[in-house]
Amino acid sequence: NAGVTQTPKFQVLKTGQSMTLQCAQDMNHEYMSWYRQDPGMGLRLIHYSVGAGITDQGEVPNGYNVSRSTTEDFPLRLLSAAPSQTSVYFCASSSPQAGVRNEQFFGPGTRLTVL
Amino acid sequence: TQLLEQSPQFLSIQEGENLTVYCNSSSVFSSLQWYRQEPGEGPVLLVTVVTGGEVKKLKRLTFQFGDARKDSSLHITAAQPGDTGLYLCAGARSGGSNYKLTFGKGTLLTVNP
Repeated sequence: NAGVTQTPKFQVLKTGQSMTLQCAQDMNHEYMSWYRQDPGMGLRLIHYSVGAGITDQGEVPNGYNVSRSTTEDFPLRLLSAAPSQTSVYFCASSSPQAGVRNEQFFGPGTRLTVL
Repeated sequence: TQLLEQSPQFLSIQEGENLTVYCNSSSVFSSLQWYRQEPGEGPVLLVTVVTGGEVKKLKRLTFQFGDARKDSSLHITAAQPGDTGLYLCAGARSGGSNYKLTFGKGTLLTVNP
């Protein structure tokens, strides 16, 4: 199993450009999440999904859109990139069977710079 | 408001020393997890504690969940350079259909040979 994969690994955008960060998992996990990690801020939840067709906002959702058409994929879209969105983005998945444990399996991350 | 406070934020020690990292909150959590993250990679789960007062050992690492399920600690005995990394705690609380995680800001540990 590949686990959680993310593409691209690195990306540089200009302010106002749009792009999609890809995330896929092959563990048949129903739950998937997007986090951003900034220096001194820890991991903050952007959006999450508890199953195909179901998404919800996390702590910092503004400027980001998500959709979940399949169990495997959970892309994150930046509609109009801003310098404040410069960050490292992590996708994670987990199984509802984990219950209270909700143990997250993380991808390798996408390092995004917005100029 | 930071629900989970980790301390210290930075820790630099010599190989062979012992250390303890703390994760504190005023909120009660259903479970608490510890992750380790190496540069350029995603966090990797080390352990999950669920029961108040629970102690788990993973080789030289000892994890404890507070009796009131509001705090946790990670103790490393005889630290090695391979222990270097960012240690993150994360608390899970019920949020409807799933348990939402809140992460601390992390403790960056450097173990010097």
